[in-house]
Amino acid sequence: LAKTTQPISMDSYEGQEVNITCSHNNIATNDYITWYQQFPSQGPRFIIQGYKTKVTNEVASLFIPADRKSSTLSLPRVSLSDTAVYYCLVGDPLGGGSQGNLIFGKGTKLSVKP
Amino acid sequence: DAGVTQSPTHLIKTRGQQVTLRCSPKSGHDTVSWYQQALGQGPQFIFQYYEEEERQRGNFPDRFSGHQFPNYSSELNVNALLLGDSALYLCASSLGFPERVYGYTFGSGTRLTVV
Repeated sequence: LAKTTQPISMDSYEGQEVNITCSHNNIATNDYITWYQQFPSQGPRFIIQGYKTKVTNEVASLFIPADRKSSTLSLPRVSLSDTAVYYCLVGDPLGGGSQGNLIFGKGTKLSVKP
Repeated sequence: DAGVTQSPTHLIKTRGQQVTLRCSPKSGHDTVSWYQQALGQGPQFIFQYYEEEERQRGNFPDRFSGHQFPNYSSELNVNALLLGDSALYLCASSLGFPERVYGYTFGSGTRLTVV
């Protein structure tokens, strides 16, 4: 099971681009990288998923280098409503971790200030 | 299309009591997983149900048990409650087991406080 390492917290200001990097040195060949967002007292919400290179959707971009030992979630022009905890997970496609369940770390607490 | 529905949203129990939490999965999903999230921590996997059977289990004592019904809804039961069981309990539904698990969707959780 690939372990992930993320910064515990990050601060930003409205309108800035935020990049959160996750390390996963032991990622397996079949593993995908998935990011979830969680607001207080709510369940995690899927943001983006990728295998290699770059993935972009309406919310974020995910950059994955060739060696896949790390990944960077990029949030363009953040707003106050992006204040949340962001989790990086490594495992089976579309959210499944080892043996079919998701393994969460402590995540990165992003605080966006006005 | 309803997402994952959990009930109740909040609950206060006394040490030693028993509690039952309920979850209705997203329409079309057949697999339900339960997570415990203590304050300031990431969600911790409790167990997963598919075809009315427990298929995977995390590192939780036998006081934690569950059930899945033919309509795919699920219950989480916790016996002999401890103060340390106070947490947000999350239900996640998905489709497919075990080779491929598609698209986890989480509910908003049940906040359990044990006093």
